[in-house]
Amino acid sequence: AQSVTQLDSQVPVFEEAPVELRCNYSSSVSVYLFWYVQYPNQGLQLLLKYLSGSTLVKGINGFEAEFNKSQTSFHLRKPSVHISDTAEYFCAVSDPTNNNDMRFGAGTRLTVKP
Amino acid sequence: DGGITQSPKYLFRKEGQNVTLSCEQNLNHDAMYWYRQDPGQGLRLIYYSQIVNDFQKGDIAEGYSVSREKKESFPLTVTSAQKNPTAFYLCASSIWPNEQFFGPGTRLTVL
Repeated sequence: AQSVTQLDSQVPVFEEAPVELRCNYSSSVSVYLFWYVQYPNQGLQLLLKYLSGSTLVKGINGFEAEFNKSQTSFHLRKPSVHISDTAEYFCAVSDPTNNNDMRFGAGTRLTVKP
Repeated sequence: DGGITQSPKYLFRKEGQNVTLSCEQNLNHDAMYWYRQDPGQGLRLIYYSQIVNDFQKGDIAEGYSVSREKKESFPLTVTSAQKNPTAFYLCASSIWPNEQFFGPGTRLTVL
């Protein structure tokens, strides 16, 4: 079964600075990868996804992520963050052969300071 | 607008009570899921259902039960057998191989 590790539980950053949230996965098969964002007391909203094709994936709100198969990583990046990006971010991996086996990381709390 | 609704938003349970959390979707998705979220632990799968009248246990099904009598509805019952039910509960649905769509969540607190 696959698993996900988010390497940072908390990431503080100043407004307009770049940010990278790190995600590593382990799997014996090919994978689908997702990044979700969660604002306080709300559900999860999809930021972006990698199913196949180009390894650089662009999502909503100016976020992008790069799938690196050799390093089994799917790091999330944004070149300039805003106060409104303060939220919890979750990386998730699923097995293309099992549509009910999506695994989530523990989350990274991004705090953008003025 | 299509989406997933969960009710209630906040729920309080006394010791020994069963409570039911509602989840409804109008996205015409076949698969539906229930997750439990605790601080610092991400999401853990409780139950999932691929089609009507069929559901499977996830990683932490003990103390929970579900039903899937309609495609649109997937209620979760937290029974008295669940010893630590205080958590944030999220319902999701999907059409494979795309992402899961999440509801707004229900926060359950044991008094």
